[in-house]
Amino acid sequence: EAQVTQNPRYLITVTGKKLTVTCSQNMNHEYMSWYRQDPGLGLRQIYYSMNVEVTDKGDVPEGYKVSRKEKRNFPLILESPSPNQTSLYFCASTTRGLAGGREQFFGPGTRLTVL
Amino acid sequence: GESVGLHLPTLSVQEGDNSIINCAYSNSASDYFIWYKQESGKGPQFIIDIRSNMDKRQGQRVTVLLNKTVKHLSLQIAATQPGDSAVYFCAEAITGGGNKLTFGTGTQLKVEL
Repeated sequence: EAQVTQNPRYLITVTGKKLTVTCSQNMNHEYMSWYRQDPGLGLRQIYYSMNVEVTDKGDVPEGYKVSRKEKRNFPLILESPSPNQTSLYFCASTTRGLAGGREQFFGPGTRLTVL
Repeated sequence: GESVGLHLPTLSVQEGDNSIINCAYSNSASDYFIWYKQESGKGPQFIIDIRSNMDKRQGQRVTVLLNKTVKHLSLQIAATQPGDSAVYFCAEAITGGGNKLTFGTGTQLKVEL
């Protein structure tokens, strides 16, 4: 089954404690992205990757890091989480960039709470 | 399931009626638009897309209309069903601009029996 998986699905942590949210896709997609979703703000792109070892900032990259060492994985790293990073996070993948818009798949989401 | 947002605009329709969800986009350079459906506890799911060289596109029970003059997008759902209850987002993009989608804030669709 074609899918994007994220782990963990729920996480409660404390300020300053480094964490990683994993994202994996089994569709051999080149493009992967991370979004955060907040009430009244919709989804905002954090980072995206157009292929292995190619990453770039989205609209709200501050406080986040990503890596793309393998095609299937695109982890999101919070080196020193802060309460304003409490949010619902989605990973997405697609092939051929936006030309393949109908093939954009989103993961199930990770609910992060930073105390 | 996960709450996708508070204080979203809400559209309530009777089962079997047609629904029209509107979206104003921000960038006049955007040339590709997508509608997504997000059910509680799930990620957004693709519904239909349209490119700026078109003003209308139809899918199964859904139609997207694009008015570039006023930067307006709408999603029409025919014969709305209870399973259509969800939050609907429009997204805009510039093809060739990487993989960057800019999302609207969403509209909650509630289908009343």
